[in-house]
Amino acid sequence: AQKVTQAQTEISVVEKEDVTLDCVYETRDTTYYLFWYKQPPSGELVFLIRRNSFDEQNEISGRYSWNFQKSTSSFNFTITASQVVDSAVYFCALSEADAGGTSYGKLTFGQGTILTVHP
Amino acid sequence: EAGVTQSPTHLIKTRGQQATLRCSPISGHTSVYWYQQALGLGLQFLLWYDEGEERNRGNFPPRFSGRQFPNYSSELNVNALELEDSALYLCASRPRDSYEQYFGPGTRLTVT
Repeated sequence: AQKVTQAQTEISVVEKEDVTLDCVYETRDTTYYLFWYKQPPSGELVFLIRRNSFDEQNEISGRYSWNFQKSTSSFNFTITASQVVDSAVYFCALSEADAGGTSYGKLTFGQGTILTVHP
Repeated sequence: EAGVTQSPTHLIKTRGQQATLRCSPISGHTSVYWYQQALGLGLQFLLWYDEGEERNRGNFPPRFSGRQFPNYSSELNVNALELEDSALYLCASRPRDSYEQYFGPGTRLTVT
């Protein structure tokens, strides 16, 4: 069975600090997809990134960067120079796929990390 | 482009009653997913509909059911409501040729 663990329940930082959110996953499949979502106080989950299991390239998007390491089954998320607007709950998720790469659809979420950025 | 919409925003029901939640996917998206976000339990997968068919189901009792209509919108029905059904129910949609799920604002169900 697949499992996603976000060990950090809550993180509190001061604006402009860098912060890394950890995500460790378990799956028996060789093909899978990893995601990060942001849930602001409004409640709506906002898609941030998808990473395929066969693509270990790290990615940077503005102040956001993601580090995917299959050797340690981790998919960590770093926010550089954090801002108050980054305050939210962040979820890491996993979706398994068949050999053809078709996702089974179901997302397995971690418990989420509550990030609070203080001014 | 309009996002995923859900109705109602809030729903208050009494234990034993039935609740119906509705979801309209993003135009062009054929798959609809339902998730439950209960306090302390995180986000749990409920149901996946694609092209009108139920494709996958999470570990929930049969009193959680739903359907997908020809226009790809979906309904989630919860029968014989129990207090622990109180949660935020999130709907997500996905286009046929992609893996990202896009979520709606959710329906907050309160069972008293």
